[in-house]
Amino acid sequence: GENVEQHPSTLSVQEGDSAVIKCTYSDSASNYFPWYKQELGKRPQLIIDIRSNVGEKKDQRIAVTLNKTAKHFSLHITETQPEDSAVYFCAASSSSGGYNKLIFGAGTRLAVHP
Amino acid sequence: DAGITQSPRYKITETGRQVTLMCHQTWSHSYMFWYRQDLGHGLRLIYYSAAADITDKGEVSDGYVVSRSKTENFPLTLESATRSQTSVYFCASSGQTFGYTFGSGTRLTVV
Repeated sequence: GENVEQHPSTLSVQEGDSAVIKCTYSDSASNYFPWYKQELGKRPQLIIDIRSNVGEKKDQRIAVTLNKTAKHFSLHITETQPEDSAVYFCAASSSSGGYNKLIFGAGTRLAVHP
Repeated sequence: DAGITQSPRYKITETGRQVTLMCHQTWSHSYMFWYRQDLGHGLRLIYYSAAADITDKGEVSDGYVVSRSKTENFPLTLESATRSQTSVYFCASSGQTFGYTFGSGTRLTVV
């Protein structure tokens, strides 16, 4: 089945710096890669996603890149702000068992210091 | 989002008791999922369902059962709760576009 590894587990940056979180996946059939942000005590919320036929996608200060050959994808946050502090999860789709479902990485706790 | 609700928000139960966590969505999404969240493990899939009466096990299904008699409801039952099942449980639903929407979660403590 699919396995997703996420690094680093914690990341601390100064306000205004960039942050990069990386994930690798094992199933070459995976074709959908979302990123979720989870603030303390709240539910995970989708912030950006990318499909396997696209190499990069941007939405304001966040971007995701995908390298299908190497089976890794990354989240880039530019001009970080204190409100970006949260836990970020990457995920990859898995079609084992006939159903598409998401397998998540272990998460990255991002702290943005003013 | 108000479209997917979980109950209860918090639950304390004793070891060996049966407990059911509820999940209800109003979008008529075909797919529903149960995940548990533990520090250091992220979100791990317990069970999922592609439609009413179609369910399948995820990566950590031992000790849990689900049912889906109606499209909008997907309850998760712990048959005999153990301390290792202390966790935050999230239900999610998805339509045809793949993106998940999560419920607010249930924090379960087994004492």
